[in-house]
Amino acid sequence: GAVVSQHPSRVICKSGTSVKIECRSLDFQATTMFWYRQFPKQSLMLMATSNEGSKATYEQGVEKDKFLINHASLTLSTLTVTSAHPEDSSFYICSASGDRDADNSPLHFGNGTRLTVT
Amino acid sequence: DQQVKQNSPSLSVQEGRISILNCDYTNSMFDYFLWYKKYPAEGPTFLISISSIKDKNEDGRFTVFLNKSAKHLSLHIVPSQPGDSAVYFCAARITGTASKLTFGTGTRLQVTL
Repeated sequence: GAVVSQHPSRVICKSGTSVKIECRSLDFQATTMFWYRQFPKQSLMLMATSNEGSKATYEQGVEKDKFLINHASLTLSTLTVTSAHPEDSSFYICSASGDRDADNSPLHFGNGTRLTVT
Repeated sequence: DQQVKQNSPSLSVQEGRISILNCDYTNSMFDYFLWYKKYPAEGPTFLISISSIKDKNEDGRFTVFLNKSAKHLSLHIVPSQPGDSAVYFCAARITGTASKLTFGTGTRLQVTL
């Protein structure tokens, strides 16, 4: 089955630094990748949608200058949390779709990245 | 505005019995629904899905029922096994929105011996 790899699984950084999270589709070409964020005991909230070779589409309330998304190839998307603050501490999860409308096939998710900003 | 809701944050079921997880939605444009299982510190794993043109879909121990008029779906797991203990999320999608999923708040299922 389709595999999505996310790295790192856990990262601790100091306030003010930037952190990059990678999401790779290992056995399929991901035309669309999604970045979600999950706070403890809450739902997964979509942050942005990225299509290969074009700018990401951010959800309302998500700062695009703070959460930089790059989807430079069909197998790799990155999320960079810039100038991280403690309130950015969260669980970030990516998912990938092999087709723009995915003919109702399910999304495949990475294992997530636990970000802790001290 | 929580368009997909799971009103039960937790559920405890004895091994071998049926687990019923419920999900309600408000957006009538949703036409495809999915259930995901999630362990702590891991990404969601797809379980089963249903299109709005159907009212039931079955896959092994898992069955999803959809009641469009009530905007309600449920996931039945029978028989429940200890390995089913996890958080279950329902998710909904509108065809034509590039696979964008809206997730419910999750229900933690505990299957006891």
